[in-house]
Amino acid sequence: KQEVTQIPAALSVPEGENLVLNCSFTDSAIYNLQWFRQDPGKGLTSLLLIQSSQREQTSGRLNASLDKSSGRSTLYIAASQPGDSATYLCALNGQNFVFGPGTRLSVLP
Amino acid sequence: DAGITQSPRHKVTETGTPVTLRCHQTENHRYMYWYRQDPGHGLRLIHYSYGVKDTDKGEVSDGYSVSRSKTEDFLLTLESATSSQTSVYFCAINTLAGGVNEQFFGPGTRLTVL
Repeated sequence: KQEVTQIPAALSVPEGENLVLNCSFTDSAIYNLQWFRQDPGKGLTSLLLIQSSQREQTSGRLNASLDKSSGRSTLYIAASQPGDSATYLCALNGQNFVFGPGTRLSVLP
Repeated sequence: DAGITQSPRHKVTETGTPVTLRCHQTENHRYMYWYRQDPGHGLRLIHYSYGVKDTDKGEVSDGYSVSRSKTEDFLLTLESATSSQTSVYFCAINTLAGGVNEQFFGPGTRLTVL
């Protein structure tokens, strides 16, 4: 059974910092990995999708990497802004989607 | 947002009453999902559908049933609501572009069972 963990559970940084969020998984038999953002009281917004054959994807200030052999993915956020404050979740697409518990990010002005 | 709506957005009901939540999509995607999100448990799959009248159970399906009579609508029913079913319920669809599955979510329904 796929198990997904995310470290740290919460993170608080000053504006402008670069930061890394981590996602670990136990079963490398996946089709792809997806990173989501969730604002309080809202649904999930898809940020990036990495196919199993890819190593990384970039969108603006976001860069996601995937290392299937070690069961890890990272989401790198450059030059963080207060508007980046949200919970970030990773999801592994194998037989079904399995979600991590999320990292709650606060970017302080 | 992949054209996904959920109704109602908020509902308060009493234990033992039936409740139906609706998910509607406008883009004819084949796969649709129902999840619940709870503190300490994250997102968990309740049921999913891979076509009209084709559904299957997820991780936490006990106490829930689903129906899909049209491509665009996926209904989640709590036959007799219990307080443990107080949660936020999300509907999602899978798009399949270039052989890649990607999930998109609706805005959620907050259900409180008293």
